Amino acid sequence: QSVLTQPPPASGTPGQRVTISCSGSSSNIGNNTVNWYQKLPGAAPKLLIYSNNQRPSGVPGRFSGSKYGTSASLAISGLQSDDEAVYYCATWDDTLKAVVFGGGTKLTVL
Amino acid sequence: QVQLVQSGTEVKKPGSSVKVSCKASRGTFNNFAINWVRQAPGQGLEWMGGAIPIFGIANHARQFQGRVTITADRSTNTAYLELNSLRSDDTAMYYCATLRLGELSLFDHWGQGTLVTVSS
Repeated sequence: QSVLTQPPPASGTPGQRVTISCSGSSSNIGNNTVNWYQKLPGAAPKLLIYSNNQRPSGVPGRFSGSKYGTSASLAISGLQSDDEAVYYCATWDDTLKAVVFGGGTKLTVL
Repeated sequence: QVQLVQSGTEVKKPGSSVKVSCKASRGTFNNFAINWVRQAPGQGLEWMGGAIPIFGIANHARQFQGRVTITADRSTNTAYLELNSLRSDDTAMYYCATLRLGELSLFDHWGQGTLVTVSS
């Protein structure tokens, strides 16, 4: 059972916009920044969004992040087939004194 | 651009130990901290532990208490993860990653992963 809650599956058609949520509490998301990682099969995780809404260089502008209170969201617009991956949110938990990941959301492009 | 190269696949018996290495090139440990994350088959990402410079400590997740040792050799820019008393549910891909200084969960660069299989 993950400390951060993400919906298990998400799907969309090419060109569509999808949003993936990440719900936490005051001891984690509510008091710390959120980072998002993309995990493709057979590959190492990749930093996708950091500090709630910042994109590392090389990450397309189609990816965006936001945070409101104890929840965060990742939005992907103009969905493409190679966006099929599992997306994880992550933050620090002040009570656990640990990095916590969401359970991951598998995105399927139909 | 930091590159992290991990040691190769390991097959271990239950109850034994494993030590995985992670060598950094094009960068030094003065500029980042190494942390370890694992992914069991069909499961999500799980933080194991590592250096947290903003707190000036090294920490690890509670579920690994007493079983994990994370060290670093600055002279060779190599970090190590040692996990003892291995169980079948420790079978996983183990990743090292750089934690950006001043951050708590921002992992910039990742190693390629080391598959550890625990089986009798």
